Amino acid sequence: AQSVTQLGSHVSVSEGALVLLRCNYSSSVPPYLFWYVQYPNQGLQLLLKYTTGATLVKGINGFEAEFKKSETSFHLTKPSAHMSDAAEYFCAVSGLSSGSARQLTFGSGTQLTVLP
Amino acid sequence: GAGVSQSPRYKVAKRGQDVALRCDPISGHVSLFWYQQALGQGPEFLTYFQNEAQLDKSGLPSDRFFAERPEGSVSTLKIQRTQQEDSAVYLCASSLRDRGLVTEAFFGQGTRLTVV
Repeated sequence: AQSVTQLGSHVSVSEGALVLLRCNYSSSVPPYLFWYVQYPNQGLQLLLKYTTGATLVKGINGFEAEFKKSETSFHLTKPSAHMSDAAEYFCAVSGLSSGSARQLTFGSGTQLTVLP
Repeated sequence: GAGVSQSPRYKVAKRGQDVALRCDPISGHVSLFWYQQALGQGPEFLTYFQNEAQLDKSGLPSDRFFAERPEGSVSTLKIQRTQQEDSAVYLCASSLRDRGLVTEAFFGQGTRLTVV
């Protein structure tokens, strides 16, 4: 079984400030970890992913995340927030399903607001 | 097209009505997933296809939900005798690789179903 917990359903930051969105996971198999962004009335867009190798992963739009196995965390950061970053962000873990195919299990999401 | 296409984008159904939601995956993608996203929640897995084979339907909430992918490309999610609790956004995703290795899934924009 696998699960994802995103701490903070709403996060507000000022433009230019650090963005930190928290994600903790549990997985019975080595996890693949993802961050997706969803703009209003849009589908999910992949920001970045961790599968194997380097634990610090860089994604699009200046975002990055670090896989910390000891903390079972995969927090998303961006040094300087931009107004266009306002959206909902979902952390997801890919693990084995009952059908033996990897499926994504999502957290409940964090709505990011960027204040001018 | 270049991405995953879903139709219709919006559907309003009267309670008890049957609905059919269509997904056109990216050409050549082997894996296809359906997810249900309730308001304010993260997407939840419904079912998975590898080509035309439905390998996992463990997430379908009831026997009123049925999915097919007869020729291994276009997929249809059918909901019979819709209920108000079926109101959600239904997301389709496709992935190039086959079972056991979903490292990146591309999502469509979703179909927003409202049951009145």
